[in-house]
Amino acid sequence: EPEVTQTPSHQVTQMGQEVILRCVPISNHLYFYWYRQILGQKVEFLVSFYNNEISEKSEIFDDQFSVERPDGSNFTLKIRSTKLEDSAMYFCASSEGSRGPSYEQYFGPGTRLTVT
Amino acid sequence: GQNIDQPTEMTATEGAIVQINCTYQTSGFNGLFWYQQHAGEAPTFLSYNVLDGLEEKGRFSSFLSRSKGYSYLLLKELQMKDSASYLCACGNTPLVFGKGTRLSVIA
Repeated sequence: EPEVTQTPSHQVTQMGQEVILRCVPISNHLYFYWYRQILGQKVEFLVSFYNNEISEKSEIFDDQFSVERPDGSNFTLKIRSTKLEDSAMYFCASSEGSRGPSYEQYFGPGTRLTVT
Repeated sequence: GQNIDQPTEMTATEGAIVQINCTYQTSGFNGLFWYQQHAGEAPTFLSYNVLDGLEEKGRFSSFLSRSKGYSYLLLKELQMKDSASYLCACGNTPLVFGKGTRLSVIA
């Protein structure tokens, strides 16, 4: 069964450093997303990406964040100048889109980011 | 604004039936999703309701009443592996999640 993959599974970085989280969405999917989940809290939407551009973004997704689809398979989230409060699990998701962008999003296993 | 409410925790016995409720208030509505999330893992899709009524899928069923802003997830014949958080989400663009209901299944 096709699945979304994410690398790395864990990332530890120092405050102020830049990190890049990588995702490979399911190959025939058209919509890509990043979510984050701070430990013990709810899943929060960051950004959606369709047709090689951002389609929606939340208030969390400020100038510190950027996304890119550098080739036909990878989808990346870059966090510049990380802060302690960026420590969270970051999930990538993708959906086919034939029944609307939100329908049946498949989530990757997540990258646990720890900022020290 | 958007608001999704669901109980924080529930406990049920193996083999029993449990109903997890969700109420929502949203400015737009494109369906109601339920996701299951085991501790430390990613959410996995369980069900989707866009019209009123009950959708059945094996041991899991989901109900929606759009006029009441209400949904529930019904889990039958509970198994220990069903111990997880169950996330109610409004299918707007973007998807908005509730805080989740942590279900503990006990013997």
